[in-house]
Parts: sequence; structure tokens; C-alpha cells
Amino acid sequence: GDSVTQTEGQVTVSESKSLIINCTYSTTSIAYPNLFWYVRYPGEGLQLLLKVITAGQKGSSRGFEATYNKETTSFHLQKASVQESDSAVYYCALGDPGANTGKLTFGHGTILRVHP
Amino acid sequence: EAAVTQSPRNKVAVTGGKVTLSCNQTNNHNNMYWYRQDTGHGLRLIHYSYGAGSTEKGDIPDGYKASRPSQENFSLILELATPSQTSVYFCASGEGTISNERLFFGHGTKLSVL
Repeated sequence: GDSVTQTEGQVTVSESKSLIINCTYSTTSIAYPNLFWYVRYPGEGLQLLLKVITAGQKGSSRGFEATYNKETTSFHLQKASVQESDSAVYYCALGDPGANTGKLTFGHGTILRVHP
Repeated sequence: EAAVTQSPRNKVAVTGGKVTLSCNQTNNHNNMYWYRQDTGHGLRLIHYSYGAGSTEKGDIPDGYKASRPSQENFSLILELATPSQTSVYFCASGEGTISNERLFFGHGTKLSVL
């Protein structure tokens, strides 16, 4: 089956510093997966941060970027300068376009705490 | 913006009791999903649906039933709740097309089974 592994637990970063949250994936599908980052801010539901459906391309949103690397099966999330408002839980996710079910497989989530 | 509403937001149940979690979406999406989230496991898919009258088993369906009586509503039913089902449950809707797997999530239901 499909699986997603991301940076475990909590990451603490000072405001204005750079961030990277690692994500690697594994899939048994013959099709290249679609890759996503979702975010859950305190008191809210999960929402899409960015997605990339083509290997080699980069997605970006709200200053965050992630590049789909099919050679290393990775989709790391990066930001050059974080803000306190970025404190949230971040989830890497994989979708199988070959299955056409719309299901997503999620990583465990990474808690980001940005302190001033 | 798409809207997914879950009720209740918090629920305390007794072991062996019946629990129904409700989800309503105003997006007119065909697909709906129930996930649970536990520390150390991330989100795991319990049941999903392709439309009214359809329910499909996800990755961890044991102990749960689902019901999709209409396009808008999707319920998760715990006939005999157990403490191991204490978790946060998320409902989501999505268009379900091949390349557009964007899901819209509700705020979650925190369930405690005592």
C-alpha cells in the first residue's frame, strides 16, 4: 500500500528563521502519485496548503514551497522565513490518481511552533 | 468557499453505547470521507462514499459503520463504542476526480469513550 513518512513530533523555530519539514513517500501504484501539504491551524479543520501533481514541479503558497522529487520520492516543505502565525500542524499526503477514489494517505503530522 | 460541518464538536460516550457522528457538506461534492486522528498515527481513513447510498470501507473500518442518505450528509456510526475509539474524527468532502484530490475538512469531533 501507500505510506508517507514525515518529520516526527514537534519542530520549534525562531521567528524569521528558515524551516524544512521532511516528507518521503512510498506507493505501489504504477502511476506517479499526487502530493499535498495540508495544514491545521489551532481551532480549525485541515486545509490544503499546496499540491503538486507532476514530478519535478514545485508548488508554493503563503511563502511555503515544496518540490516533487520522484528520484528520491520526497516532497519536503520549506520556508525561508517563518512567522509566529505559521504555528500549526502540517501534514504531507499522497493521492493515487490511478485509483480514482479521491482517497488521500496522510503522514503523522508535524507540529510547528514558531516563537518570537 | 466550500463548507463541511461536523456535529457534535465534542462527545463523551460510555463503553457499549451507540454513537453517531454527523457530517454535512454544502459543496455538492460526490465523495465524502471519515478519518480519525490519533497521536503517532496521523489521519487514517475509516469509511468513504462516492455518493448517496454508497459506502466503502477504508483502511480501518472495523467497529464502524457509515451511512450516506443524501449527497449532503454522511454519518459515522459506532454501534458499540469502546475506549479504543477515543479519538478526533474528521469528515471531508472532495470532487474525486483523478487529478483534483483536494479535500475540504470539517473542524473535527473529539470523542471520548469512558
